[in-house]
Amino acid sequence: GAGVSQSPSNKVTEKGKDVELRCDPISGHTALYWYRQRLGQGLEFLIYFQGNSAPDKSGLPSDRFSAERTGESVSTLTIQRTQQEDSAVYLCASSLVAGGNTGELFFGEGSRLTVL
Amino acid sequence: KQEVTQIPAALSVPEGENLVLNCSFTDSAIYNLQWFRQDPGKGLTSLLLIQSSQREQTSGRLNASLDKSSGRSTLYIAASQPGDSATYLCAVPTSYGKLTFGQGTILTVHP
Repeated sequence: GAGVSQSPSNKVTEKGKDVELRCDPISGHTALYWYRQRLGQGLEFLIYFQGNSAPDKSGLPSDRFSAERTGESVSTLTIQRTQQEDSAVYLCASSLVAGGNTGELFFGEGSRLTVL
Repeated sequence: KQEVTQIPAALSVPEGENLVLNCSFTDSAIYNLQWFRQDPGKGLTSLLLIQSSQREQTSGRLNASLDKSSGRSTLYIAASQPGDSATYLCAVPTSYGKLTFGQGTILTVHP
């Protein structure tokens, strides 16, 4: 597609429920990233995909968080048994190249998650 | 560990002024540096990417410079407009695409 697409744009859920957030990267982009941004805070790295493998999962905050990617396409971030502290905007980005020199990253509009 | 700092944290200027936003990083062994803007409630929009071998990049009224040896980058905005109001973020890749972001500069351009 023309840009990085994320869905849903907004999600309100009850504590304890599972949620899935989806990211469609720019076509042809090898690398895909998930970040989290809490209200009034900076961006927090979650996970990075190179193709469909995840060399760096160091940012996932707990084992309730998982992510997968199909080929060099769609990625899904799953949060199980959501907690109120999971409330944040989840941002996805993609770039043409992988590795240390990322090239230019392009971000989606984010998925705003509110856990009641 | 790479640390990125942006100064000032907030800036308010009248329309038409030229302004400079500053970004500093502690580890000069970077591949590139990227400047973004973020509007309230929105994602990040890429403004400029400077490769480590470059000294500056220009896009319209924006000019970004990079001095790797001193660990600094500046974003120059010429003839500022109210539509430039946003949070401006700089970021450098650390390992395998993980970007380290500064905390951002909140810019307000008032008519």
